[in-house]
Amino acid sequence: AQSVTQLDSHVSVSEGTPVLLRCNYSSSYSPSLFWYVQHPNKGLQLLLKYTSAATLVKGINGFEAEFKKSETSFHLTKPSAHMSDAAEYFCVSSNDYKLSFGAGTTVTVRA
Amino acid sequence: EAQVTQNPRYLITVTGKKLTVTCSQNMNHEYMSWYRQDPGLGLRQIYYSMNVEVTDKGDVPEGYKVSRKEKRNFPLILESPSPNQTSLYFCASKDLGGRFYEQYFGPGTRLTVT
Repeated sequence: AQSVTQLDSHVSVSEGTPVLLRCNYSSSYSPSLFWYVQHPNKGLQLLLKYTSAATLVKGINGFEAEFKKSETSFHLTKPSAHMSDAAEYFCVSSNDYKLSFGAGTTVTVRA
Repeated sequence: EAQVTQNPRYLITVTGKKLTVTCSQNMNHEYMSWYRQDPGLGLRQIYYSMNVEVTDKGDVPEGYKVSRKEKRNFPLILESPSPNQTSLYFCASKDLGGRFYEQYFGPGTRLTVT
């Protein structure tokens, strides 16, 4: 069985400061992990994915995530938040036919 | 443009009135799936399909039906909608090449059942 847990339901940051969104996974085998972003009243967009080729994964819009097997974590970071980063973020694990979503983290960016 | 489309985008209906939400993809993907999104719960899978005429239940299939008669289409059917099916629904598709392939999502359908 596979599952993900997002440790923060809400994160608030000031513009220009780092963003950290935490995700822990549970899987009986090497997982495939994704981060998706959902802007208000929009669909889901893929930010990045872990495919076991490298533990540090770079995505779009300056986001990156590090896979740490010893900590069963796949945290998402960005060095400097922008107002346009205000959105909901989902950590997701996948097998061939099923996605398991975390509950989501809402990011607020203060000017 | 590669995309997943859903119709309608918004729907308000009454309890018990059958409705269908359509989903279509133009990427020739074998796999398609339906999810519902509710606050604090993330997205939960309703049904998925691995290919034409092959469908299976997800985590929350009760009250829903699907069919896959053509590769590009995967409609979601609510034969007798109830207020607890008020939600935001997403259709998705992916290539079946492996678990590292991401799913592509439609824009969502916001359903309200009164």
